[in-house]
Amino acid sequence: GAVVSQHPSRVICKSGTSVKIECRSLDFQATTMFWYRQFPKQSLMLMATSNEGSKATYEQGVEKDKFLINHASLTLSTLTVTSAHPEDSSFYICSARVLHLAGAETQYFGPGTRLLVL
Amino acid sequence: KQEVTQIPAALSVPEGENLVLNCSFTDSAIYNLQWFRQDPGKGLTSLLLIQSSQREQTSGRLNASLDKSSGRSTLYIAASQPGDSATYLCAVETSGSRLTFGEGTQLTVNP
Repeated sequence: GAVVSQHPSRVICKSGTSVKIECRSLDFQATTMFWYRQFPKQSLMLMATSNEGSKATYEQGVEKDKFLINHASLTLSTLTVTSAHPEDSSFYICSARVLHLAGAETQYFGPGTRLLVL
Repeated sequence: KQEVTQIPAALSVPEGENLVLNCSFTDSAIYNLQWFRQDPGKGLTSLLLIQSSQREQTSGRLNASLDKSSGRSTLYIAASQPGDSATYLCAVETSGSRLTFGEGTQLTVNP
């Protein structure tokens, strides 16, 4: 199946700094990628939909100025957590959508990035 | 707003048992339902995807059913093994390729 990578896999930063997380589709092009956040013992919550060449669509309650998303190419989307605070500590997972023939589609998930803000 | 609920939240069984995980969703207007496996600190592995027009899907020891009208799905695991220990998530897809996830069932299979 298609492979999605995330970098870094784990990051620790000081409160107030910004952190960039990369999501790459390794062997396919993805016009649409999704960013999820998962707190401990909880499920994945969709944060935003990232479309190549256009602005991301954010879910209700997600601050677009705090979570900057850039989808500059068909294989790369980045999520930047600006002025990170301890409450932003979480597991961030991206997925990339593949459109198949006849309209079917599949989302492939990255391995996740563990962010810890001290 | 779509809501997905999974029962039980946690399950511990001895090796070899057959087991059923449950998932329910509030809005039946879905495109598909998917079951995932998540190991601790890892991403998601897709197990089975059931299109809204389908009733079930099978892969090896796994069988997933879907009753769209009642908003329910089950994941049946036959002859469970310790390697099956993980968190199992179900997710429904609605318009715009949006996936709504349940909170998962944490499964432990004891040797």
